Amino acid sequence: EDQVTQSPEALRLQEGESSSLNCSYTVSGLRGLFWYRQDPGKGPEFLFTLYSAGEEKEKERLKATLTKKESFLHITAPKPEDSATYLCAVLNDYKLSFGAGTTVTVRA
Amino acid sequence: NAGVTQTPKFQVLKTGQSMTLQCAQDMNHNSMYWYRQDPGMGLRLIYYSASEGTTDKGEVPNGYNVSRLNKREFSLRLESAAPSQTSVYFCASSAPATGLGNQPQHFGDGTRLSIL
Repeated sequence: EDQVTQSPEALRLQEGESSSLNCSYTVSGLRGLFWYRQDPGKGPEFLFTLYSAGEEKEKERLKATLTKKESFLHITAPKPEDSATYLCAVLNDYKLSFGAGTTVTVRA
Repeated sequence: NAGVTQTPKFQVLKTGQSMTLQCAQDMNHNSMYWYRQDPGMGLRLIYYSASEGTTDKGEVPNGYNVSRLNKREFSLRLESAAPSQTSVYFCASSAPATGLGNQPQHFGDGTRLSIL
């Protein structure tokens, strides 16, 4: 069975304090690893797709990387508007399996 | 461009009542999905529809039924609501995979359902 584990569950950062979120996965036949951002009361918003080990994607202060067993979401010099829950999901055939998420709070 | 629209946004039901959650997308996507999100757990797939006219069970289908009304609309029905079905329900849609890879799912803002 596909499994996705995200750590830490919660992360409190000072503005400008860079950090990384981890997504460990086991899946038979990875067809893509997806990162989403979810704000309170909203649906997940797509950020990145990664397909193969060694791949990296960047968007503003966010950078996602992928190995054969895990993915990292690096947040560089975060701002308060980066506060959100970040979700990781792996695709196997038709099914997206989600982790429980990491809730990031950035204090000014 | 509205994307994925879900109605209602909030609903309170009594045990045993029935309810249909509505979802519509305007992105001309083939595939649509229903998830539930509970505290401390990842989103879990209830049902999905790979294309108009087809539906399949996901991870947690018991107690639910779905209808793919047309390409745009995919509804989720609770025939006899139970307290264990208290959750936030999300609908999503996606385009077919291309030569560049699988396409991401796009989500609505959810329906918050409480069953007393």
